Amino acid sequence: DAGITQSPRYKITETGRQVTLMCHQTWSHSYMFWYRQDLGHGLRLIYYSAAADITDKGEVPDGYVVSRSKTENFPLTLESATRSQTSVYFCASSDSGKLEEKLFFGSGTQLSVL
Amino acid sequence: AQSVTQLGSHVSVSEGALVLLRCNYSSSVPPYLFWYVQYPNQGLQLLLKYTSAATLVKGINGFEAEFKKSETSFHLTKPSAHMSDAAEYFCAVSEDTGFQKLVFGTGTRLLVSP
Repeated sequence: DAGITQSPRYKITETGRQVTLMCHQTWSHSYMFWYRQDLGHGLRLIYYSAAADITDKGEVPDGYVVSRSKTENFPLTLESATRSQTSVYFCASSDSGKLEEKLFFGSGTQLSVL
Repeated sequence: AQSVTQLGSHVSVSEGALVLLRCNYSSSVPPYLFWYVQYPNQGLQLLLKYTSAATLVKGINGFEAEFKKSETSFHLTKPSAHMSDAAEYFCAVSEDTGFQKLVFGTGTRLLVSP
């Protein structure tokens, strides 16, 4: 199906383990974003990408790594997971990234770090 | 840095009553403002956006919002609530980077009772 998909939907891991969250979009959108959603904070931007091989930090990038070797994929890696990274993670995309455009969100990945 | 404040983490209304969700923004430049809705276990969907055109913006599902520069507000309203409106609503402002680097509020959960 066309759209933006995230996997896995739920993930439980242990402190110190490496975890990769996947995001795939079928529209060939240039811009992709990773947000985390926490109670009392709303959504906060972790990283974003303007095109393949172009990424930049958002508001809360520490402890995360991203890559974008292909336009359609934007994986988010927690190199050594911590309990504070327990959160719901949302991937989003837009075509040109212009302010007038709609931002499309995936359904989220609920991550628990024990 | 730009920011938004959503007053009230929870708002309860009866079916058929007026819905009013409050959002105030902080910005040193003309902002772009957005309202997103999140239904349970789903990603965010755009309700409406203000991009410096008309100050009264109409969105999907009967929602509208009015940009008031003098009050730095962008409150969301709907004349008559429906049970299906129960969801979490996020106000967001764009930073002045020319693309969608959104800053979200903490969200307001709308509860609709019969």
